[in-house]
Amino acid sequence: TQLLEQSPQFLSIQEGENLTVYCNSSSVFSSLQWYRQEPGEGPVLLVTVVTGGEVKKLKRLTFQFGDARKDSSLHITAAQPGDTGLYLCAGPSGAGSYQLTFGKGTKLSVIP
Amino acid sequence: DAGVIQSPRHEVTEMGQEVTLRCKPISGHNSLFWYRQTMMRGLELLIYFNNNVPIDDSGMPEDRFSAKMPNASFSTLKIQPSEPRDSAVYFCASRRQENTEAFFGQGTRLTVV
Repeated sequence: TQLLEQSPQFLSIQEGENLTVYCNSSSVFSSLQWYRQEPGEGPVLLVTVVTGGEVKKLKRLTFQFGDARKDSSLHITAAQPGDTGLYLCAGPSGAGSYQLTFGKGTKLSVIP
Repeated sequence: DAGVIQSPRHEVTEMGQEVTLRCKPISGHNSLFWYRQTMMRGLELLIYFNNNVPIDDSGMPEDRFSAKMPNASFSTLKIQPSEPRDSAVYFCASRRQENTEAFFGQGTRLTVV
């Protein structure tokens, strides 16, 4: 099973600060996805990265896929209280890579 | 589209009772996942169906857990007998095909007392 390690596990910051969270593995992934989960809801996809070194931007969120496709990062600029949630990375795994395995996530709290 | 629909949203049951969780995937999606989420272990994949066929159930914790997908629009996850350590939020997710977005339901919060 390909494991995804996320760090930090918890992060509490003030509104307006910048932050970066990480998703690492010892295995190569053909792609990685980032999801955000709010309390009482299921995870919702933010972005999929496919190419090594790829950078994708979603408003104040910047996602990067490592050159070796073993890691990814999510950078948030000028965090807002609405960014609060659990950020999960996920990648294909299992025989045939048909399954979707998640990291444990980073729980972000943005304090007004 | 209504999205992935799970029922019930909350379930409280006594240890030893049978629990059945239900899921209606998005129409046209050929893959369905059941996950369990806890603080300690995060999102754990329990079982994966493709075209209604269970492909990998290695994540199912014990024989007390079973899942079925009798048709493309319905799946169940059953726990019999339930135990307090089964308390968690259970999510169902579906997707159209591999490497596409997985859409999650709102989950069923199960409490076994």
